[in-house]
Amino acid sequence: EDQVTQSPEALRLQEGESSSLNCSYTVSGLRGLFWYRQDPGKGPEFLFTLYSAGEEKEKERLKATLTKKESFLHITAPKPEDSATYLCAVRNQGNLIFGKGTKLSVKP
Amino acid sequence: DSGVTQTPKHLITATGQRVTLRCSPRSGDLSVYWYQQSLDQGLQFLIQYYNGEERAKGNILERFSAQQFPDLHSELNLSSLELGDSALYFCASSPGQGAGNTIYFGEGSWLTVV
Repeated sequence: EDQVTQSPEALRLQEGESSSLNCSYTVSGLRGLFWYRQDPGKGPEFLFTLYSAGEEKEKERLKATLTKKESFLHITAPKPEDSATYLCAVRNQGNLIFGKGTKLSVKP
Repeated sequence: DSGVTQTPKHLITATGQRVTLRCSPRSGDLSVYWYQQSLDQGLQFLIQYYNGEERAKGNILERFSAQQFPDLHSELNLSSLELGDSALYFCASSPGQGAGNTIYFGEGSWLTVV
């Protein structure tokens, strides 16, 4: 069964304190691993898609990496505005299977 | 703004009732997806349409149905509503349905069943 597990469930950081979020997955035939950011009461906002092991993508303070079994979202020197829930998903045929997310809080 | 438009944004209705949620995909997108998000569950895939045809079904209850119209907008119909159906319902769209197609989400429709 295709599955996505994210850890930790919640993460509290001080402003400027770098860290990483983990996404472990099992899928029969990966057709893309997606990272989204979701603010409370809002729709998921697309961040990155990764397709093959070793691939990396960056956007501002965020960097996503992919191995054959997991993906990491590295946050460098986070700011309070980075506080959100970060969702990881894998593509199964046409649709996405999501993990439950990591809720990130960045305190000033 | 993702370009995916959902209406209504908020809806409160009674148990046993029926509601319709509407979605306009991004301009040019042929694929539409519906997801449900409740507090204790993550985003759960319900159903996907591509150019008017149903392409994939997830954990969609028999009380729920959807369709995609010739102008590509989609509707999700929820009937015989129960308290447990209270959730955020998201519509998403993508240009096609294969790998390489990013899926963009709307802002959701909050459904509260009382």
